[in-house]
This record gives sequence, C-alpha cells and structure tokens, in this order.
Amino acid sequence: GAGVSQSPSNKVTEKGKDVELRCDPISGHTALYWYRQSLGQGLEFLIYFQGNSAPDKSGLPSDRFSAERTGGSVSTLTIQRTQQEDSAVYLCASSLDRSGANVLTFGAGSRLTVL
Amino acid sequence: AQSVTQLDSQVPVFEEAPVELRCNYSSSVSVYLFWYVQYPNQGLQLLLKYLSGSTLVKGINGFEAEINKSQTSFHLRKPSVHISDTAEYFCAVRTFSADKLIFGTGTRLQVFP
Repeated sequence: GAGVSQSPSNKVTEKGKDVELRCDPISGHTALYWYRQSLGQGLEFLIYFQGNSAPDKSGLPSDRFSAERTGGSVSTLTIQRTQQEDSAVYLCASSLDRSGANVLTFGAGSRLTVL
Repeated sequence: AQSVTQLDSQVPVFEEAPVELRCNYSSSVSVYLFWYVQYPNQGLQLLLKYLSGSTLVKGINGFEAEINKSQTSFHLRKPSVHISDTAEYFCAVRTFSADKLIFGTGTRLQVFP
C-alpha cells in the first residue's frame, strides 16, 4: 500500500483481556519494527522483523508480549492478560531493508487503553 | 551502545521567532542521525537525516540540522517558526550495523501567536 496501516486506531480493553494489534507495512518493505510510545517516555523499541524472522526482540517488556509476521508482510503484536501499564500508543514502522541508512516510515499508531 | 538525549522536554516560542531543539548522541562508532516530527494524533514523519558528507543537513518545512562530531550534537533549527510547526520532535540515532533506531524522549515545540 501507499503507507503503513495500523488497526485498530483505538482500543479500550479491560485488565486481564488479550489484545491484538495489526500492522500492514508498505509493499516491498522487508524490515518491520514495533515501538511503544508512553507519555513522557519517548519511543521504546519492542521488536524488529526482517522478513518473517525476528532477529531482535530484546525490547519486549515481558512474556505477555509476542509478535509474528507472516508472508513477509502483515505483522500482529499480541498482548496477553493486559495490565494498566500496557496503556500506550503502539507504533509500527517499515523500511526497505535493514540498512541503517534507510528511513523508517511509521503508521499512525494504535492507542491502547487498559481500564 | 548508542543513546540519544534531548535536552528540553518543552520549548515555547512565538511565531516568526527562531528556534533550536537540542539533541546529543552517544556512540563509540559512526552513526546515522535523524529528526522526526509527530503532529497531534499522527504517526512520525521524517524531517531530515544525516548519513554522511556535509555537516549541515536541510530538511522539509524549512528545518535544518548540523552535526557536530566533537560535541556529539545534532541540533535542529528553524529561522522563523509558524503556528503549524507546533508538534513533538524526536531525535534518533542508529549505528551502521544496528538493526534498530534509538529515539530520544522528544521535545514538544509550542508556537504561540
């Protein structure tokens, strides 16, 4: 597609429920990134995909967080047993490949609120 | 490991005044540097990037940044701001071999009429 698409744009859930956030990257982009943006915290790296593999998942905060990517395209970030501290905006970005010179193109984000 | 420090969390300025948003980076190897802007309820958009060559980099919307390798800084400047420049600005760093972009905590630029 023309840009990075994320869904849902807003999600309100109750503590303890599972949520899935979806990212559809730019067609042809092999690298895909998930970041979390919390108030006053800047952007926190979560996980990086090259193709369907995740060489770096060092930023996932706990084992409640997981992500997968299929067909070298769409990625899903899953948060199990959500907690209030999971409330944040989850941003997805893609780039042509893993080269450091490539620019990351970001989606508009998924705002998660855990009550 | 690389890191980024944005020295000001908020910068208030009047319209048509100049502005400088400060960014310092830390890395033991050569880096790529970026400035992104985030308008309310939107994703991040690239303003400019430094890959190599000239220390002065020009970006969109009249912004520019200059890398100072001795001071490890990459400050963002604009000679005359507009109301529409009100947004959050993020500085980011990445080494040549790293897989991920490391962001600063952001600077909120508030332009007043």
